Amino acid sequence: EAGVAQSPRYKIIEKRQSVAFWCNPISGHATLYWYQQILGQGPKLLIQFQNNGVVDDSQLPKDRFSAERLKGVDSTLKIQPAKLEDSAVYLCASSWGQGLSYNSPLHFGNGTRLTVT
Amino acid sequence: GESVGLHLPTLSVQEGDNSIINCAYSNSASDYFIWYKQESGKGPQFIIDIRSNMDKRQGQRVTVLLNKTVKHLSLQIAATQPGDSAVYFCAETNTGFQKLVFGTGTRLLVSP
Repeated sequence: EAGVAQSPRYKIIEKRQSVAFWCNPISGHATLYWYQQILGQGPKLLIQFQNNGVVDDSQLPKDRFSAERLKGVDSTLKIQPAKLEDSAVYLCASSWGQGLSYNSPLHFGNGTRLTVT
Repeated sequence: GESVGLHLPTLSVQEGDNSIINCAYSNSASDYFIWYKQESGKGPQFIIDIRSNMDKRQGQRVTVLLNKTVKHLSLQIAATQPGDSAVYFCAETNTGFQKLVFGTGTRLLVSP
């Protein structure tokens, strides 16, 4: 099966600019996640969608970050305006069931590496 | 908040050796643990998982051990190969599969 697709692979922007990332999960996967991975650290959950509804966005900096999954399939994550500390890899993941479970592991895309200068 | 951590940031081994990567967790409510492998430029890849009602689980060349008494789990890789070179993360979650919390990772370097 095709994996989780993300684009672009790399993005360089100046602080205060805007940026958007796109994710297409594995076909049929109901749950979609966006993670932020700062260099040298483990991924941190930003937002979790169940179909097109938000399940958890408690760690999303809502003053500058937004995400949507309008049709319950692909998703976009936006940052506006970007700060230097937003430099990271943004990973999208999906799972088949209603969130993570023993038989429904997370499948990750290869991420978008964002550099804010 | 509670977090998952690792003892060793970098582990260097020779090809053919057995590798052991350790992880300590602090959330006593965690009951499901996963090991991920992340190669450069790629997303984390599922390796093996274990539930809290188990002490040991084996896969192909990998074994995960869980010690709930001291809140410690380890990943053992038998006959380590150069292709095993990557960063390894342990991750935890609790009943109800709420947030998956990742540790900071251990880099495994395998020399030929």
